Amino acid sequence: AQKITQTQPGMFVQEKEAVTLDCTYDTSDPSYGLFWYKQPSSGEMIFLIYQGSYDQQNATEGRYSLNFQKARKSANLVISASQLGDSAMYFCAMREGADTGNQFYFGTGTSLTVIP
Amino acid sequence: DSGVTQTPKHLITATGQRVTLRCSPRSGDLSVYWYQQSLDQGLQFLIQYYNGEERAKGNILERFSAQQFPDLHSELNLSSLELGDSALYFCASSASGWGQPQHFGDGTRLSIL
Repeated sequence: AQKITQTQPGMFVQEKEAVTLDCTYDTSDPSYGLFWYKQPSSGEMIFLIYQGSYDQQNATEGRYSLNFQKARKSANLVISASQLGDSAMYFCAMREGADTGNQFYFGTGTSLTVIP
Repeated sequence: DSGVTQTPKHLITATGQRVTLRCSPRSGDLSVYWYQQSLDQGLQFLIQYYNGEERAKGNILERFSAQQFPDLHSELNLSSLELGDSALYFCASSASGWGQPQHFGDGTRLSIL
């Protein structure tokens, strides 16, 4: 089974609107971290936001928030007040366990286009 | 600036050749990961090292090899290159612990002619 599933290959949003990018995960480990990355057309991978499995509150970083629903195993990224610069590929990732050096699992990504 | 340094940024070579990609992780990070991203594709995990030892292997071809040195920098060696090896190769590093993110270098863009 896929560890990380992103079901939206492409999304469009109007500038200044909010958008939700979906991510579901699969793990039996009680300790895990969930991460979102942004890859603009220039190619670099930018770390956006992190949510730990034991965190009670949803993570927020500026206009980014993570809608964490543990029972549903979902970790959706919400971008508020979209800007043209938000047009990029977005990847959801997970890291399991308390051991050092654990592997990261990435989804296939969602391409977001912000329309002026 | 992520703190992860990859060299070179661009590499153009011919089929059948061998190249070496280099990565210096962020200060203090013991884990190094290598990924391949072909055009319009997601990230393909290749291999992971932790403090000099191989920890996990993904879809890495036998023509590819990697190592992490005592100073923690890592090299990815690609040999007998084929046209299909043209891709963006990322190195990432992370600190220990499942709550620590990966930080990516800017990538090496490899073009095989």
